Amino acid sequence: DTGVSQDPRHKITKRGQNVTFRCDPISEHNRLYWYRQTLGQGPEFLTYFQNEAQLEKSRLLSDRFSAERPKGSFSTLEIQRTEQGDSAMYLCASSSSGSYNEQFFGPGTRLTVL
Amino acid sequence: AQKITQTQPGMFVQEKEAVTLDCTYDTSDQSYGLFWYKQPSSGEMIFLIYQGSYDEQNATEGRYSLNFQKARKSANLVISASQLGDSAMYFCAMREDHQGAQKLVFGQGTRLTINP
Repeated sequence: DTGVSQDPRHKITKRGQNVTFRCDPISEHNRLYWYRQTLGQGPEFLTYFQNEAQLEKSRLLSDRFSAERPKGSFSTLEIQRTEQGDSAMYLCASSSSGSYNEQFFGPGTRLTVL
Repeated sequence: AQKITQTQPGMFVQEKEAVTLDCTYDTSDQSYGLFWYKQPSSGEMIFLIYQGSYDEQNATEGRYSLNFQKARKSANLVISASQLGDSAMYFCAMREDHQGAQKLVFGQGTRLTINP
């Protein structure tokens, strides 16, 4: 399978704990994106990398959120001191720099904060 | 600011019928892209079709076509000959092409149910 993969698929944590999610993009894609989707809503943009550089961040990405893509391949999204409002599906997508560079999404990580 | 509006929370269609899912957008940019994604109950977002703001012809991909009316700022998705497997959430999204911006802004989605 050469699609976008995410790990874990599900995460249940207690409020105040830190969590980290991983995304592996399609191998030839140099762009990687993180989105958050809450129930009944469309995905909301969080941040975007081109290679290892983080080029765009949403105001939704508070100080408790940090994303990295150290070698321009996989990426991690860490949430510190989780809150119940962080409960959501976290989606990763990747794209090339091609013509209309459609974004291909992974299966998501569903986070539940108790 | 970007905005995508999908006014149909839910649509119910008989199998084999055509269905149109509405999408209107708001942008002050001249260059932008419009996308439709399908999200089955499994949760994964599946890319369906793309329309660029400068494309003169409506995009088509198999049973999917995009009815692009630039002056009205609408980008409706048409699914011909609907199938049971088309039952899913459908999201319209826009990307503005200024200053290297790459983020997609999504609408709230339309839940499509195909009845046998």
